[in-house]
Amino acid sequence: DAGVIQSPRHEVTEMGQEVTLRCKPISGHNSLFWYRQTMMRGLELLIYFNNNVPIDDSGMPEDRFSAKMPNASFSTLKIQPSEPRDSAVYFCASRGTGSTNEKLFFGSGTQLSVL
Amino acid sequence: DAKTTQPNSMESNEEEPVHLPCNHSTISGTDYIHWYRQLPSQGPEYVIHGLTSNVNNRMASLAIAEDRKSSTLILHRATLRDAAVYYCMLTGGTSYGKLTFGQGTILTVHP
Repeated sequence: DAGVIQSPRHEVTEMGQEVTLRCKPISGHNSLFWYRQTMMRGLELLIYFNNNVPIDDSGMPEDRFSAKMPNASFSTLKIQPSEPRDSAVYFCASRGTGSTNEKLFFGSGTQLSVL
Repeated sequence: DAKTTQPNSMESNEEEPVHLPCNHSTISGTDYIHWYRQLPSQGPEYVIHGLTSNVNNRMASLAIAEDRKSSTLILHRATLRDAAVYYCMLTGGTSYGKLTFGQGTILTVHP
C-alpha cells in the first residue's frame, strides 16, 4: 500500500498565479480531508469529502480556494489567485469505509510558497 | 466541538516511560478520544483512540479516566524516534469524525 500520495512535494509560485495541489487517497477509502498547517494557526481542516461529495467546506478560507473530487481516487485543491499568506503546508488525509471514528491516514504534504 | 487541553511541552529520557496528559472536561457521551503525532517534516500519524476502556496497541497505551474528563497517552519506553508533537482530540457522533487539531504537546526525548 503506497499510502496517501500528494503532489507536488514542493511548490514555489508568484503571487497571482494559480496553484493546484493533488491528492490520491488510499484505494478503497471513501472519506478525504484537506488540511493546512502554518506556524501561526496550526493544523486547520479546510474541507471534507465523503463518497466524492463535499460535506463540509466551512474551513475553506475564501472564494479563491476550491476543491474537487471527480472520482474516488483523486482530489485537487486549487488556489486562484494565490497570495503570500497562502504559504503553508497542505495535507491530504483519507479514511476507510468503516466507522467515522476510524483513523485517518495523512500524506506527506505539499509545501507551498507564494512569493 | 468539545475542547482538549494539553501541556505545551514535555521532556523525557530515552527508554523511560512517558505519560502525556490531556484534559477534556466537556466531553460528551459519544466523543471518542483520539491521539495523533507529527514527527518533524511529516504528516500527522495515528497513535491510538478509545471511548471508555483503556486501550493498548503496539505504539502506546491510552488510559481513560473513569469520568472520561481526562486521558493519558503512555509511551512505555521512549525512543529518540518518539520525539514529536502529540495531539489529543475528540470526535463526536455528529461531526463525521472530524479531527480538530489544537497546539498539541511537544515531546523532547533526551539520549
